[in-house]
Amino acid sequence: EAGVTQSPTHLIKTRGQQVTLRCSPISGHTSVYWYQQALGLGLQFLLWYDEGEERNRGNFPPRFSGRQFPNYSSELNVNALELEDSALYLCASSLVGTNNEQFFGPGTRLTVL
Amino acid sequence: DQQVKQNSPSLSVQEGRISILNCDYTNSMFDYFLWYKKYPAEGPTFLISISSIKDKNEDGRFTVFLNKSAKHLSLHIVPSQPGDSAVYFCAATPNAGGTSYGKLTFGQGTILTVHP
Repeated sequence: EAGVTQSPTHLIKTRGQQVTLRCSPISGHTSVYWYQQALGLGLQFLLWYDEGEERNRGNFPPRFSGRQFPNYSSELNVNALELEDSALYLCASSLVGTNNEQFFGPGTRLTVL
Repeated sequence: DQQVKQNSPSLSVQEGRISILNCDYTNSMFDYFLWYKKYPAEGPTFLISISSIKDKNEDGRFTVFLNKSAKHLSLHIVPSQPGDSAVYFCAATPNAGGTSYGKLTFGQGTILTVHP
């Protein structure tokens, strides 16, 4: 069974640009979560999508947004990139939204110059 | 406000011995706890979980203990192997409802090094 996949693996952008990260969940999983792991920090919850709807959002500005498609894949969009957005962005999926193990993808390493 | 804390940034253990990783939480709404293992530049890998209705869960070499009254959980790895060397994160999530619904709140991680 294929795990969570993310693309691209690495990305380099400059301040002010916009970026889109992509995630495909494990087959059968309807919930997709996004987390940010900045250097020296733990994993911070960004967004949770389930059945195409945004269910919960972490303490991040509105320039972080996303969506979930009918096939349950998801995109994370970050507008007006800032240097501190440089981080590993992790996507996870689960069967349902709570009290279930979340399985993580390999992440996208974003560097903002 | 860090709701999940792993107070030991690192732990060094000899191969074959027990590794004990600790985690404390403050939010009494948390009722499901998970441990993940992470290698650099990779996503976390799920290890083991425990519900608040239990105080122990075992899976092979990994055992998680939960002390609800102390808001403390620990992961025991016996025997430790060099391949266990990684960063270990504990995470917590609440019952349905509330602002934490659906998300995992992670500790800062503990770097485990198992020496041959």
